[in-house]
Amino acid sequence: GAVVSQHPSWVICKSGTSVKIECRSLDFQATTMFWYRQFPKQSLMLMATSNEGSKATYEQGVEKDKFLINHASLTLSTLTVTSAHPEDSSFYICSARGRAGGQTLGWMTDEKLFFGSGTQLSVL
Amino acid sequence: AQSVAQPEDQVNVAEGNPLTVKCTYSVSGNPYLFWYVQYPNRGLQFLLKYITGDNLVKGSYGFEAEFNKSQTSFHLKKPSALVSDSALYFCAVRAPHGSSNTGKLIFGQGTTLQVKP
Repeated sequence: GAVVSQHPSWVICKSGTSVKIECRSLDFQATTMFWYRQFPKQSLMLMATSNEGSKATYEQGVEKDKFLINHASLTLSTLTVTSAHPEDSSFYICSARGRAGGQTLGWMTDEKLFFGSGTQLSVL
Repeated sequence: AQSVAQPEDQVNVAEGNPLTVKCTYSVSGNPYLFWYVQYPNRGLQFLLKYITGDNLVKGSYGFEAEFNKSQTSFHLKKPSALVSDSALYFCAVRAPHGSSNTGKLIFGQGTTLQVKP
């Protein structure tokens, strides 16, 4: 089945540095990618939605200059946390919907909204 | 505004006993409802969904959920819990087309299920 590969699984960085998280769709074309943020014992909060080849749409309260999203191809989306600070420490998860072999995946009912395995970011 | 509530942070059950993880929702129109499971350091995995039709839906790993429109609930259930069911469970709702949140999944805060041998 369709898989979303997310890397790295965890990253530790110094305050002020930038961190890039990648999500790749394997064996399907991710026409839409969602980026979520999850704090311990809390829900997933949608940060932004990106469609291939266009600018991401950010949710209210999410700084677009802080969290740069690039979705330049149908198989790769990246989230860059710029000038990271300790309050950016969190678990980041991507999810994707798209198409494979002419079949649309996850467009109507989201059960095929494939999730990456997440990235635990710790900013010191 | 659409919202999902999972009133229990944690549910503890003994292996072999039935389990229930509660979820209530608020959405205008007919909701699309989902349950996902998250194992440690893993992404979310789809369990089951309700779109329309029978109120009792069956999903993966023996889980089922009952849609109750009058109570706006979508509780997750399993007749006999396994230790391996221990994980974090999320209820989610997607607003139907035509609403302001079309296409977006809104998640509850999650419930940790702990099944003890």
